[in-house]
Amino acid sequence: AQRVTQPEKLLSVFKGAPVELKCNYSYSGSPELFWYVQYSRQRLQLLLRHISRESIKGFTADLNKGETSFHLKKPFAQEEDSAMYYCALSDNAGNMLTFGGGTRLMVKP
Amino acid sequence: KAGVTQTPRYLIKTRGQQVTLSCSPISGHRSVSWYQQTPGQGLQFLFEYFSETQRNKGNFPGRFSGRQFSNSRSEMNVSTLELGDSALYLCASRWDSSGNTIYFGEGSWLTVV
Repeated sequence: AQRVTQPEKLLSVFKGAPVELKCNYSYSGSPELFWYVQYSRQRLQLLLRHISRESIKGFTADLNKGETSFHLKKPFAQEEDSAMYYCALSDNAGNMLTFGGGTRLMVKP
Repeated sequence: KAGVTQTPRYLIKTRGQQVTLSCSPISGHRSVSWYQQTPGQGLQFLFEYFSETQRNKGNFPGRFSGRQFSNSRSEMNVSTLELGDSALYLCASRWDSSGNTIYFGEGSWLTVV
């Protein structure tokens, strides 16, 4: 069975501080990993996916198959980054997403 | 272009009743999936439809069902509602059944009293 774990429900940092949102997964095959973000009063939207290997809004995430992790990082947090972040995994066919419990990021001024 | 549209946005039902939620995917998208979001269980996959066929189903009882029409619009139905069915139901669409970005709607808030 596939599982995604986000150990922190809440992460609070000051503006300009580095931020790392942790995500660990279990899956027997080769999964595809995603980070989704939900800003206040907005719909859930894709932030980035591991196969793209790109940086979105200053965020990056590297898939570590040895540690089965896909942590989300940003060197300098901004207040507008405050949101709910969900790590998700899909199977090879990409037919369904398994989500972690989510981490609420609060960036304080 | 218009995003994924879900109706109704909010509704209140009584235990034992049934409810039907509707989802209009992004134009051209043929895959529609449904998720349930609750504070206790988080986001959980319900089912996915592609070209009017159910391709995958999550671990939910048979009271939860869905269908997709030829225009890719989808509905999900929950019969014999229970208090625990109170949740945000999210619909998501994508162009085909694999490999593309999934776009979510704003959801339908269901409260069962």
